[in-house]
Parts: sequence; C-alpha cells; structure tokens
Amino acid sequence: AQSVAQPEDQVNVAEGNPLTVKCTYSVSGNPYLFWYVQYPNRGLQFLLKYITGDNLVKGSYGFEAEFNKSQTSFHLKKPSALVSDSALYFCAVRFLSSNTGKLIFGQGTTLQVKP
Amino acid sequence: EAGVAQSPRYKIIEKRQSVAFWCNPISGHATLYWYQQILGQGPKLLIQFQNNGVVDDSQLPKDRFSAERLKGVDSTLKIQPAKLEDSAVYLCASSFPARTVKQYFGPGTRLTVL
Repeated sequence: AQSVAQPEDQVNVAEGNPLTVKCTYSVSGNPYLFWYVQYPNRGLQFLLKYITGDNLVKGSYGFEAEFNKSQTSFHLKKPSALVSDSALYFCAVRFLSSNTGKLIFGQGTTLQVKP
Repeated sequence: EAGVAQSPRYKIIEKRQSVAFWCNPISGHATLYWYQQILGQGPKLLIQFQNNGVVDDSQLPKDRFSAERLKGVDSTLKIQPAKLEDSAVYLCASSFPARTVKQYFGPGTRLTVL
C-alpha cells in the first residue's frame, strides 16, 4: 500500500541551529513529493515540491528538502531555525500513476524552535 | 490573488444533527478537493472534483457524507447525520488540473460533534 511516514511526532531545536524533519514513503511508482506547513487555526501552506531533476529542492522561507530515491526519503531541512518556524509540518506524496490529484499525507511533525 | 475561501470557520453540533460546509476555490481552478483532518493525523482526501464531476470519492462515507459542486465553482460538503467521530477540521483545496501543480488550501472548518 502507498503510504507516507513521519517518524517523529515532535522535533525540538534551538534557534539558529540547523533543523531536519524526516519523511519516508512507500510507493509502487515514481512519486511527486511535497512539504506543507500548518500554523494554528490556518490551512496548509505549500513549502516546496520535488517532481524531477536535482535531488535538492529549495522552497519558501529558507527551507529545502533532499530527495533520496534509494532510501525513499524526502527530509525537510533548514540551515538556521527561527522561532517563527515553530509549526506543524506535513510531508505528502502524489503518485505519477494516479490519474487524480490525490495527496497522501504523513501524520505530521510538530517543530518547536526555542529561543 | 484571493485564496480559497471556506465557511463557517467553526461549527459545534450535537450528534445526529446535520451540517454543511461551503468552499469557494481560487478563480480558474478546475479541480477542487475536500480533506478531513482529524486531530493528530494528516489530512485525508474525502472527494475530488474536476469541474462539476467527481474524480475520486473512494474515501467518502457515502451513507452520511455528500458533496456537490454545481456549475463547477463553489462546493458544499454535507454530513447527515453527524457522529462523534466526525469531529475534525474539513479542509478545501483547489488546483489547476495539470498533474504537477500544487494544491492551495483554505483555512478549514473546525467541526465539533457533541
């Protein structure tokens, strides 16, 4: 079955330190990969996506993600965390074999950046 | 550009009552999605429309949930009758029909069923 896993419920990091939010997926084809962020009482905001090409994708607010096909991972990274980055982060996949736009989301990872 | 609009933002009802949510997608977006996000989980697709036709409703509990998108623009999601387990945030999203583009999400409607 196609699935997405975010192994950490919460990630804590000090402001100014690098952060990584992990995501792995299980797929029978080639995926499109996305990261979304959700602030309290707000909808999901798009951060970045991987479709093809360079494995390192740069997105909004200084975030980037690295696609690793052999490890079926798409970890979200940022070199220097800000307190304002504290939010709920979702990894999502969409499969090329799908005729729909259906996104399959991970369960989410809460990022807490402390001053 | 205006984003995806949803109303109401919050709704509290008792079990077995009915409720309806409204979504207005971004102008020009032919594809519209309704997701259910239960607390502590990622969003789950309930139904996808392409213009006014249903593309995917495989995870919609059709005995109690219904959705329509008349004229291929606004959409309404209804629950009748509601159960306690329907308490969740209902997110509407829209996109162009191309397969590679991102989805734009509205702020969601938080439903509490008592």
